[in-house]
Amino acid sequence: EAGVTQFPSHSVIEKGQTVTLRCDPISGHDNLYWYRRVMGKEIKFLLHFVKESKQDESGMPNNRFLAERTGGTYSTLKVQPAELEDSGVYFCASSQTFDRGYGYTFGSGTRLTVV
Amino acid sequence: RKEVEQDPGPFNVPEGATVAFNCTYSNSASQSFFWYRQDCRKEPKLLMSVYSSGNEDGRFTAQLNRASQYISLLIRDSKLSDSATYLCVVRTGANNLFFGTGTRLTVIP
Repeated sequence: EAGVTQFPSHSVIEKGQTVTLRCDPISGHDNLYWYRRVMGKEIKFLLHFVKESKQDESGMPNNRFLAERTGGTYSTLKVQPAELEDSGVYFCASSQTFDRGYGYTFGSGTRLTVV
Repeated sequence: RKEVEQDPGPFNVPEGATVAFNCTYSNSASQSFFWYRQDCRKEPKLLMSVYSSGNEDGRFTAQLNRASQYISLLIRDSKLSDSATYLCVVRTGANNLFFGTGTRLTVIP
């Protein structure tokens, strides 16, 4: 079974530019999550999709961040315009169930550097 | 106050040693508890879920104390391959995971 796939693995952009991150969850997983780790801090929740619907976007830092999941398959996270503080590692995760004991499978992340 | 607090370490232990990590969580309504392992520049990977009765998986033992809001992980007979960052993770509500900053372990030959 293919895991959660993210690309690009690395992205270096200038402040003010736009970047789009992509996540392909495990096939059949309705739940898709975005998390972010900025340097020196813990991994933090950004948002959660159930199929194509946003279930919870309380972690999105501001309106420069836009996430979509068209058709309930892959998801994109766009940052426009990027700021220096957006640098960090963006992880996507997916899960099949809300089983309380079930963890999530994470992708290998996109390392974003804004210069 | 952070949702999940962990001692960042680092913990440097010799091969074969027993090492314990602890974490505390602030939300008494938290429902699910996990330990994840993260290798350098890799994604977090689920190590084990943590149950109130305590659970063991080989050399790894996890315990949960709901009254004290405290979670622990014990690693026995440490191997070089155990070197990694161990993340204490708590789920509150239906879907939101809260991570600790992680405890870094280095097992020395």
